[in-house]
Order: sequence, then structure tokens, then C-alpha cells
Amino acid sequence: DAGVIQSPRHEVTEMGQEVTLRCKPISGHDYLFWYRQTMMRGLELLIYFNNNVPIDDSGMPEDRFSAKMPNASFSTLKIQPSEPRDSAVYFCASSLYGLRRGRHNEQFFGPGTRLTVL
Amino acid sequence: QKEVEQDPGPLSVPEGAIVSLNCTYSNSAFQYFMWYRQYSRKGPELLMYTYSSGNKEDGRFTAQVDKSSKYISLFIRDSQPSDSATYLCAMTPGSKKTSGSRLTFGEGTQLTVNP
Repeated sequence: DAGVIQSPRHEVTEMGQEVTLRCKPISGHDYLFWYRQTMMRGLELLIYFNNNVPIDDSGMPEDRFSAKMPNASFSTLKIQPSEPRDSAVYFCASSLYGLRRGRHNEQFFGPGTRLTVL
Repeated sequence: QKEVEQDPGPLSVPEGAIVSLNCTYSNSAFQYFMWYRQYSRKGPELLMYTYSSGNKEDGRFTAQVDKSSKYISLFIRDSQPSDSATYLCAMTPGSKKTSGSRLTFGEGTQLTVNP
């Protein structure tokens, strides 16, 4: 398997523009997570899905952020309008519920999207 | 107060040194404890995994969990320059299908091992 795939890898945009980040989880995984990582705040969970249904979106900073998972193999995180304080690395991760190889609910991370909002 | 506290470092050691990385936590419901390693400009990857209290060893790496003190540690023996990375502790309450899949991460400790 190719692992978790994210696109784009880098995004530079201007304040006020809409940004869409994309994620393809590992095939067969039933959980998908969106994280944001900054130097100041570390790795923060924004939202996660189970079987394409959002379970907890309490980490989404504000209404400018939205996430969807229309099917088991694709998810998007959208920021509209974007602001400079949204600049961060956004990670998508997926996992399979249960114990596998002695590891419970191991999360597999994608390479991240580095977002810069000018 | 954060649920998980981790000293961000940075930590710089000479090659061959023993490295100790630590996290404290406040939620007594946490039962599964993990250490993720993140190389520069990469996503985190699972390094060590421990259930409840005790020690777990894997090569040069040892993970310890002391639930009575709400304290976990990762030891790296004979550290190598290739160990230079950010190490994040992570934990989760248990095996319930929803809560057990959500991880709470520490801030991460940046480690540099100098040749």
C-alpha cells in the first residue's frame, strides 16, 4: 500500500482565499484524522471520522474550517476565507480499529501539507 | 493545563549517549501509551507502544509507564545521529471504539545526536 496520500504538499495563498487540502487514507482503514501542527501549539487534532461520519469536530478552530469525507477513500479539509494565522502543516492520518501486530489503533500519518497564508 | 505535558527541548547529546525523554499526563483514564518519531518535514510514525504500566524494550529503545505517577518515559541507548528527530508522546483512554481511537499528543521533544 502507498500509505496515506496528501495533496498538495505545499500551498501558498493570499489572505481571504479558499484553500482545499486533500487526503486519501490507507485502503480498509475505518478512521481518518485531520491534525494541524505549529511550533507554538504542537500537533492538534482538528476532526476525525469513523466510517465516513464525523465523530468529533471540537478541535476545528472556527467556522472558516470545514471537513468532509464523501467516501472511504477521500477526505477534504477546507479553509474559507484563509488567514495568516492558519499557516501550519496539516496532517491527515488513518487507522484501523482494534489490535494489529500488538499495536492498538496505530495511526498512520501522511507527509503533510505545508500551508502558508500571506 | 494541558492533558499531556512534554518538555519541547531542544535536547542535544553526543553520539553514544543515553537519552531520556519524558511526558506527564493528568487524565487517569489513559491506558494506551505511545511514542511517535517525526523526522524533519515528515509525518509522525509510531515507534513504541505500551499498554498500562510497565516496561517495553525494542532494540535500543525502552518505553516505561508509571500510571501511579502519571509519567511515561522513552530511553534511547547508544544514541545515533539517525535518531535525531522530534519525539512525541501520545496516549488514549482505552478500547472503546470511538474514544479509544483518538490520541492526545504531547508537544514533542526535538532531539539532536551529534556525531
